[in-house]
Amino acid sequence: EDQVTQSPEALRLQEGESSSLNCSYTVSGLRGLFWYRQDPGKGPEFLFTLYSAGEEKEKERLKATLTKKESFLHITAPKPEDSATYLCAVQARRNFGNEKLTFGTGTRLTIIP
Amino acid sequence: DAGVIQSPRHEVTEMGQEVTLRCKPISGHNSLFWYRQTMMRGLELLIYFNNNVPIDDSGMPEDRFSAKMPNASFSTLKIQPSEPRDSAVYFCASSRMYGYTFGSGTRLTVV
Repeated sequence: EDQVTQSPEALRLQEGESSSLNCSYTVSGLRGLFWYRQDPGKGPEFLFTLYSAGEEKEKERLKATLTKKESFLHITAPKPEDSATYLCAVQARRNFGNEKLTFGTGTRLTIIP
Repeated sequence: DAGVIQSPRHEVTEMGQEVTLRCKPISGHNSLFWYRQTMMRGLELLIYFNNNVPIDDSGMPEDRFSAKMPNASFSTLKIQPSEPRDSAVYFCASSRMYGYTFGSGTRLTVV
């Protein structure tokens, strides 16, 4: 069974204080690892997909990295508008068609001005 | 592109009543997913469809839950009878290949 564990559950940072969020996973054949951002009262919003160990992707103050067992979401010099819950999910390579995403429970990030 | 459209946004119902949640996926997307989100368990997959055919419904909690996708542009999730433990936010998502787009969700409260 696919499993995703995210840590920490919650993180409070001062504006400009860089940090990293962790996503550990187990899956039988990884097709992709996904990062989403979720704001209160909204659906998850897609950030990145990583497909193979060693891959990195960046978007503004966010950078996602992937190893064979975990992924990190690095946040550099965050701003209050980066406050949100960040979700990690894995997709297994099983069927030819689309496969479900298995999500972690998320990290609730708060950036204090 | 209007995105994934869910209705209603909020639903409050009494225990024992039937509840129907609706979803319109993005045009051209051939996969549709129903997720449930709670504080305790996070996002859990209930069921998903490929080309309107149910592929995996192992996440459906029990027989009180049912889902249909009569055509490529519409899906429903029905709970009958509803119970207080069904209170959660229900999300619909659609996908064509690797990109999943979520709707804004339906917040269900069963009293």
